[in-house]
Amino acid sequence: SQELEQSPQSLIVQEGKNLTINCTSSKTLYGLYWYKQKYGEGLIFLMMLQKGGEEKSHEKITAKLDEKKQQSSLHITASQPSHAGIYLCGADYRPNRGAGSYQLTFGKGTKLSVIP
Amino acid sequence: KAGVTQTPRYLIKTRGQQVTLSCSPISGHRSVSWYQQTPGQGLQFLFEYFSETQRNKGNFPGRFSGRQFSNSRSEMNVSTLELGDSALYLCASSLVPASTDTQYFGPGTRLTVL
Repeated sequence: SQELEQSPQSLIVQEGKNLTINCTSSKTLYGLYWYKQKYGEGLIFLMMLQKGGEEKSHEKITAKLDEKKQQSSLHITASQPSHAGIYLCGADYRPNRGAGSYQLTFGKGTKLSVIP
Repeated sequence: KAGVTQTPRYLIKTRGQQVTLSCSPISGHRSVSWYQQTPGQGLQFLFEYFSETQRNKGNFPGRFSGRQFSNSRSEMNVSTLELGDSALYLCASSLVPASTDTQYFGPGTRLTVL
């Protein structure tokens, strides 16, 4: 089974609507990253969450980390066509953070389409 | 500041050949990681280099190898290509391999194996 599950797999919303994407881990999270990807292109960094209960916002996108549930949610308010793309969450499972090797485990992604 | 660059952007090879992909990290970044992205498996970690040393390796066969140069630029090599190696190969760089530091990704190299 997948260590990091994203839901939903795809989402189609009308422009102006709010939406939420979830990322649930089967293991203890020590860091959670959100990226956006346009089809076939590289990943654009959105936010990094490290502490339980942490919440960050950038423009109309807010991400939260629920330590108890080992889950993060990404919320987009008043969606726009520019928000369309694939949203990926990446987990850092290293308990000894700081120095050391870097390896992120990614979810399969959520494909978001915004209809004008 | 220039972002992560990868060359070439597109590549077509045939089975049995080998290929070398290049990644130039953001200036000042010393950690470079490589990922393979396919529709079926998603984004999977290949390996990570820091200060010219491989620090971590994902679950890929030995046909996949890499190296890092003193200027932090990195290359990955895939020998004896198989059809299943067709994928988008992404590299990411960070200042140091620390969880407090963000990884920034390049645009990727699209490899097609015929």
